[in-house]
Amino acid sequence: EVQLVESGGGLVQPGGSLRLSCAASGFTFSGFWMSWVRQAPGKGLEWLANIKQDGSEKYHLYSLKGRFTISRDNAKNLLYLQMNSLRAEDTAVYYCVRNSGVVAGDYWGQGTLVTVSS
Amino acid sequence: DVVMTQSPLSLPVTLGQPASISCRSSQSLVYSDGNTHLNWFQQRPGQSPRRLIYKVSKRDSGVPDRFSGSGSGTEFTLKISRVEAEDVGIYYCMQGSHWPPAFGPGTKVDIK
Repeated sequence: EVQLVESGGGLVQPGGSLRLSCAASGFTFSGFWMSWVRQAPGKGLEWLANIKQDGSEKYHLYSLKGRFTISRDNAKNLLYLQMNSLRAEDTAVYYCVRNSGVVAGDYWGQGTLVTVSS
Repeated sequence: DVVMTQSPLSLPVTLGQPASISCRSSQSLVYSDGNTHLNWFQQRPGQSPRRLIYKVSKRDSGVPDRFSGSGSGTEFTLKISRVEAEDVGIYYCMQGSHWPPAFGPGTKVDIK
């Protein structure tokens, strides 16, 4: 069974940093593109970043302006999202997503809530 | 960037009756590989999104056959042949043919 379990969310002050993790199991992690998608409270979905199977290609939403970085550790079956210079508008549930293609969204984790507030 | 729109944004339905959601993209979603990467997701209250349909009309494993997708180019449709209580939630279309991937605003389906 495919499982994606996010962790690392919480309350952070504006300007602060967080690193989210996603533990993958039930499939060959190194064989799939992976992504992060977020959802602000009561709002729609926003696709943030993609990373290729071996980590050699990464794509980030331009509007993030380099504040967020996706990475992965295939030896540990872990996906990461490093978030810096956090703003109130980054408050959202962050989902880890598996892709059966480059962008597919076939499996989603349960999400981890990030709250940016003083 | 590609902009996705959906209509209606709210869809009250009667149990057992059909429902239809439209999705439109600001440019063609035909990718260089010949595929059209248009997906539909369901998000039930309090749950993570779940993919129902990929590449316009391919149903994911375990998705009831009352769900169907159709369309081409820039116009797409998700149909529910007979709405059941478990279908309540928000439905999103999403394009994966152009970076960045983009979701529609969502259509909230509830029971009359």
